[in-house]
Amino acid sequence: NAGVMQNPRHLVRRRGQEARLRCSPMKGHSHVYWYRQLPEEGLKFMVYLQKENIIDESGMPKERFSAEFPKEGPSILRIQQVVRGDSAAYFCASSPTSGGWGEQYFGPGTRLTVT
Amino acid sequence: GENVEQHPSTLSVQEGDSAVIKCTYSDSASNYFPWYKQELGKGPQLIIDIRSNVGEKKDQRIAVTLNKTAKHFSLHITETQPEDSAVYFCAASTGRDDKIIFGKGTRLHILP
Repeated sequence: NAGVMQNPRHLVRRRGQEARLRCSPMKGHSHVYWYRQLPEEGLKFMVYLQKENIIDESGMPKERFSAEFPKEGPSILRIQQVVRGDSAAYFCASSPTSGGWGEQYFGPGTRLTVT
Repeated sequence: GENVEQHPSTLSVQEGDSAVIKCTYSDSASNYFPWYKQELGKGPQLIIDIRSNVGEKKDQRIAVTLNKTAKHFSLHITETQPEDSAVYFCAASTGRDDKIIFGKGTRLHILP
C-alpha cells in the first residue's frame, strides 16, 4: 500500500518562474492538505481540498498561490512568479474518507529553492 | 484561532534514559492531539495520537498524556535509543475543519 507520493522531491526555480508541486494521496484517501515548512520551524497549514473542491484555503497567500484536486489525477499546488521567500519545504498530507478526526499521513515533501 | 506551544526546543538525553516533551494549546474545543516524528530530509511520520475522551495512551516505549483542564499534553519516550533522534512535533485539531495546528518542534538528541 503506497504512501503519499509527492514530486518532484527537489525543485529549483528562478525568481519570476512558476512552480508546480504534485501530490498523490494514499489509496482510498480523498482529503488532501498542503503545509509549508520553513527551516527550523513547524508546519504551517495552507489549504485543505477534497476532490474538485477547496474546503479551506485560509492559510494560503491570496496572491500567486493556487491549489486544485481534480476528479482524476494528483493534487497540484501552484506558485506563480516565485520569490526568494517562497523557498521552503512543501508537504502534502492525506486522510481517509471519514476525515474530520485529523489522522493525516504525510508525503516526503518537495523542497523548493528560488534563486 | 488555535495556538500550540511546545517545549523544549532542543533536548539531549543519554541513551537509555527517558525523554519528555510538553505542549500546551489554547482552543478548548480541540479534541485530537497527534504527535509526529520528522527525520532529516523526510516528511513527518505520525507516531501516536490521543483523543480528548482519554487521558493517557501507550504504545510500546511511547506514551502520551492529556490534561484537558490545564490544556496541556505530553509525549514520553522511555528507554531511548539512537534511532529516536529526530524532530518531534505536537499538534492539535478541533476536528471541525480538519486543520491541524503544529507546535514548533523539539529536536531530540540521544547521546551515546
